Amino acid sequence: RKEVEQDPGPFNVPEGATVAFNCTYSNSASQSFFWYRQDCRKEPKLLMSVYSSGNEDGRFTAQLNRASQYISLLIRDSKLSDSATYLCVVKGGTSYGKLTFGQGTILTVHP
Amino acid sequence: DAGVIQSPRHEVTEMGQEVTLRCKPISGHDYLFWYRQTMMRGLELLIYFNNNVPIDDSGMPEDRFSAKMPNASFSTLKIQPSEPRDSAVYFCASRNKSFREGREGYTFGSGTRLTVV
Repeated sequence: RKEVEQDPGPFNVPEGATVAFNCTYSNSASQSFFWYRQDCRKEPKLLMSVYSSGNEDGRFTAQLNRASQYISLLIRDSKLSDSATYLCVVKGGTSYGKLTFGQGTILTVHP
Repeated sequence: DAGVIQSPRHEVTEMGQEVTLRCKPISGHDYLFWYRQTMMRGLELLIYFNNNVPIDDSGMPEDRFSAKMPNASFSTLKIQPSEPRDSAVYFCASRNKSFREGREGYTFGSGTRLTVV
């Protein structure tokens, strides 16, 4: 079983749609959780951290369920510029904070 | 801040040749990571350094791969001899040990796209 598993996608949605991505992780000792965004042929960049209480950043909402070891990302009012690969990322419980990446979910927002 | 700088951006080489990838981390960052990204396996951690010392190289695929960090501002990843299955994008990332839990994230370089023919 992979340490971090994501919806395989791809997701193709019209502008203005709401889309949700899911992710599960296997290591219950994981400490921190993130969503990264990766544009085509670019490096991954931090989109947002995921807090236990859930958090929102503009059109983006992240949720964490530690009991189920489940993470989600909701994007409201999708824009063309949201088209990218979204990576679910889990940081281990050790001090150095190894990041483990999911395979990523491809999102394409069309007019 | 110039960010994490990697070179070359693209590398095409013939099977059997030696390949050296380079990385300059952000000044002051004391952790440096080498990742490899392929379609099949996604992003995988190869090795990481703390204060120039290799800490965990369990992700290095085989003895053909080696990494060094001679000083705080430079690291190399070497493949010798290279094989077609090494074709991938290799990312270097760095981070500072001082971070606020839950808000920490790495800074990645732009990557080196390696093609071995």
